[in-house]
Amino acid sequence: AQRVTQPEKLLSVFKGAPVELKCNYSYSGSPELFWYVQYSRQRLQLLLRHISRESIKGFTADLNKGETSFHLKKPFAQEEDSAMYYCALRLQGAQKLVFGQGTRLTINP
Amino acid sequence: EPEVTQTPSHQVTQMGQEVILRCVPISNHLYFYWYRQILGQKVEFLVSFYNNEISEKSEIFDDQFSVERPDGSNFTLKIRSTKLEDSAMYFCASRGQGRNSPLHFGNGTRLTVT
Repeated sequence: AQRVTQPEKLLSVFKGAPVELKCNYSYSGSPELFWYVQYSRQRLQLLLRHISRESIKGFTADLNKGETSFHLKKPFAQEEDSAMYYCALRLQGAQKLVFGQGTRLTINP
Repeated sequence: EPEVTQTPSHQVTQMGQEVILRCVPISNHLYFYWYRQILGQKVEFLVSFYNNEISEKSEIFDDQFSVERPDGSNFTLKIRSTKLEDSAMYFCASRGQGRNSPLHFGNGTRLTVT
């Protein structure tokens, strides 16, 4: 079955330190991977997706098909990055997203 | 920026009662979705809706659930006879034409079944 795994429920780093939120997926087809973010008291919103190969708010994520990973990285964390981060997978030809458990990122001053 | 809106923000209902959760998707969007998140668990797909019919649904979306787009602007999720385990945060989402158009989520409705 298709699955998205985010091994860390909680991640805490200091401001200015690098941050990496891990995401692994299980899917035999051609996946589309996304990162969604939910800031405190706000809605889920798209942060970035692998097909765009873009950097949003300093975050990047590279799809590694060999390791079936899509880790989210930022070289220098900022306090406003504190939020809940969800990795999500869309199956080929499907509408639905399969979400990971989420990682709560806290940036300490 | 246009937003997906959901009402109410919190709904409390008794077990066995019917409940309708309401959503107003972004006006030019064509694809509509319901997801739910039980406290402490993952966000789970329930159903997708396109061209006035269900295009995909999950195992969770059994006969107790139904969706409707009654008037061209609202998109509703009905649970016919609520169970305790239906207590969750329910998120509506919509997206526009084009596979690469992003999903826009509403703020969610917290459903509490007592």
